Amino acid sequence: RKEVEQDPGPFNVPEGATVAFNCTYSNSASQSFFWYRQDCRKEPKLLMSVYSSGNEDGRFTAQLNRASQYISLLIRDSKLSDSATYLCVVTSNAGNMLTFGGGTRLMVKP
Amino acid sequence: DAGVTQSPTHLIKTRGQQVTLRCSPKSGHDTVSWYQQALGQGPQFIFQYYEEEERQRGNFPDRFSGHQFPNYSSELNVNALLLGDSALYLCASSPTGSPGGYEQFFGPGTRLTVL
Repeated sequence: RKEVEQDPGPFNVPEGATVAFNCTYSNSASQSFFWYRQDCRKEPKLLMSVYSSGNEDGRFTAQLNRASQYISLLIRDSKLSDSATYLCVVTSNAGNMLTFGGGTRLMVKP
Repeated sequence: DAGVTQSPTHLIKTRGQQVTLRCSPKSGHDTVSWYQQALGQGPQFIFQYYEEEERQRGNFPDRFSGHQFPNYSSELNVNALLLGDSALYLCASSPTGSPGGYEQFFGPGTRLTVL
């Protein structure tokens, strides 16, 4: 079983739609949680950190459920420019080694 | 302020050869991590360097080795290349002693093709 699991998609949604991605992790000692965005043939870039209290950044909302070892990302009012692969990332208490999920591909269509 | 830079951008090698990839961290960062990203998969942690020493290592064979220089730049060396080593190799930097909560900044990567 992979340490961080995501549905690979692709999720095909129209502009303006709301879409949600989920991620599960197996290491209960995981300390920090993130969503990274990766455009085609580019490097990953931090989208947002994820906190147990939930956090919002504009159209993006991230949530962490430690009891269920589950992380979510909600994108409201999808834009064409949101088309990318979204990577769920966790770190352990051993340091800042990032453990990535396989990514979920989002395609927003006009 | 230059971000993380990597060289070369692309590289083609044949099985059994050796390769060296280079990374310069973002200004003010002294910790460098290397990741391997196979096509269609998420990046996988190879190792991390801090104060010129390997601080942490992922599940990669000894064919993968690295080095960090006094100016914090880093090299990744892969010996006896296999077809399965074909991937995008990403370098990421972070600031001093950063705990798990700090952002890692990624370079554009080196795309290695092994024939």
